[in-house]
Amino acid sequence: DTEVTQTPKHLVMGMTNKKSLKCEQHMGHRAMYWYKQKAKKPPELMFVYSYEKLSINESVPSRFSPECPNSSLLNLHLHALQPEDSALYLCASSQDRGRTRKSREQFFGPGTRLTVL
Amino acid sequence: QKEVEQDPGPLSVPEGAIVSLNCTYSNSAFQYFMWYRQYSRKGPELLMYTYSSGNKEDGRFTAQVDKSSKYISLFIRDSQPSDSATYLCAMKPVMEYGNKLVFGAGTILRVKS
Repeated sequence: DTEVTQTPKHLVMGMTNKKSLKCEQHMGHRAMYWYKQKAKKPPELMFVYSYEKLSINESVPSRFSPECPNSSLLNLHLHALQPEDSALYLCASSQDRGRTRKSREQFFGPGTRLTVL
Repeated sequence: QKEVEQDPGPLSVPEGAIVSLNCTYSNSAFQYFMWYRQYSRKGPELLMYTYSSGNKEDGRFTAQVDKSSKYISLFIRDSQPSDSATYLCAMKPVMEYGNKLVFGAGTILRVKS
C-alpha cells in the first residue's frame, strides 16, 4: 500500500459547524503533514506531526485543531471556520529514516475540498 | 523576494514538444529539490527528486539542478496531452522528516493534441 487516503473528498459546512477531516496511511511513515491549498497557489504547510507528536505549527488559527491518534491516522478538527478557509486541504506523509533518500520524501493524499458558507 | 520563484504560466505547447520548466531560488542552504505534478482537483504527485547539483533522468523526464546559479529545471520530452497539469517545484535544506518544503507557485502546462 503506497498511498495516502483522505476523507471526505468534499465537505460543505456552515460557520457554526464542527467537522473533522481524516487522513490515513499504511506505509509505516512516522511524519504526517497538513497543508492548505488555495486555487492556483502552492500548498501552504499548516502542521507537522513526528512520531505522533506535534512538531511544527505554522501559526495556524485555533479554529483548526490537529490530532494524531496513532502513527497511521491524522485528523484535522474544524470549528467556527470562516468563508476564507475554503480551500483544498492536503495530507502528506513521509518516512524519517528510510533506506533511500527518496523514501523520505513527502507523499500527498488527494485532498479534501472544503467549502465554508 | 520569494524564496522560490516559478513562472505560473500557463505554458501551451503542441503534442510531442520538449517542455522546459524552471525555478530559481535564493536560499543557498537548499540541498534537496523535488518536482511535483498536480492534476486539477487532485493532490500533488512526486515526479522527480534530486540531491545537490546534477542531472537525473526518468523516462521522458529529466531534472537538472545548478546550485551555482540557484536554478533548477524539469524537461519533458515527447510531451503528451496527459502531461497537462500544474508542475510545482519544491526544495528543502536537509533530508529530515520534519523539515518544511518550500514550494514554487506552480507552472500550468497545457499540451495540445
